[in-house]
Amino acid sequence: GAGVSQSPSNKVTEKGKDVELRCDPISGHTALYWYRQRLGQGLEFLIYFQGNSAPDKSGLPSDRFSAERTGESVSTLTIQRTQQEDSAVYLCASSSDWAGELFFGEGSRLTVL
Amino acid sequence: AQKVTQAQTEISVVEKEDVTLDCVYETRDTTYYLFWYKQPPSGELVFLIRRNSFDEQNEISGRYSWNFQKSTSSFNFTITASQVVDSAVYFCALYTGRRALTFGSGTRLQVQP
Repeated sequence: GAGVSQSPSNKVTEKGKDVELRCDPISGHTALYWYRQRLGQGLEFLIYFQGNSAPDKSGLPSDRFSAERTGESVSTLTIQRTQQEDSAVYLCASSSDWAGELFFGEGSRLTVL
Repeated sequence: AQKVTQAQTEISVVEKEDVTLDCVYETRDTTYYLFWYKQPPSGELVFLIRRNSFDEQNEISGRYSWNFQKSTSSFNFTITASQVVDSAVYFCALYTGRRALTFGSGTRLQVQP
């Protein structure tokens, strides 16, 4: 597709379950970012990939959060043992240059009951 | 430290009014990039502008204009003759190369007809 694609668009899960969120960046974009946006809040940085390496994982809030990226393609954000405070929209963005112009997906809305 | 502050949480104006959204940033780097993104009710963030730290010229694009002042570490955004379609959350962001793009907390703009 032409844009950044994220799936699922909506996910409702029970507390304690694991979830996987997927991001397909724009083809050829080497940089991939994950952000979290709680309701009515700003964007909270989680992790950044350059290719399949992650030079900046500083935003991952706990060891329950992990992310992988295959080459310069798909990335998966995994949240283990979900908690209610994990409820948020998880936004993925990709970029073709180093200076930060990001193209965002529509996000995956996670609700933990 | 790398930080972006958008002190205005919410602004409400009547259509055709001019409105300025404030952004103040902090960084120790001399080379950096500043951005504005728009998040309409649909949720997908849209890139509006990127400005590098060596270019303090103000920029105008249609009804949008940006005022970059290094002396006050500000990068303010003005919408002239606002329209209902301008209603959105606007985020200012900073990129230094040391970390991923850092966003402010956003300003919600409501334009009333």
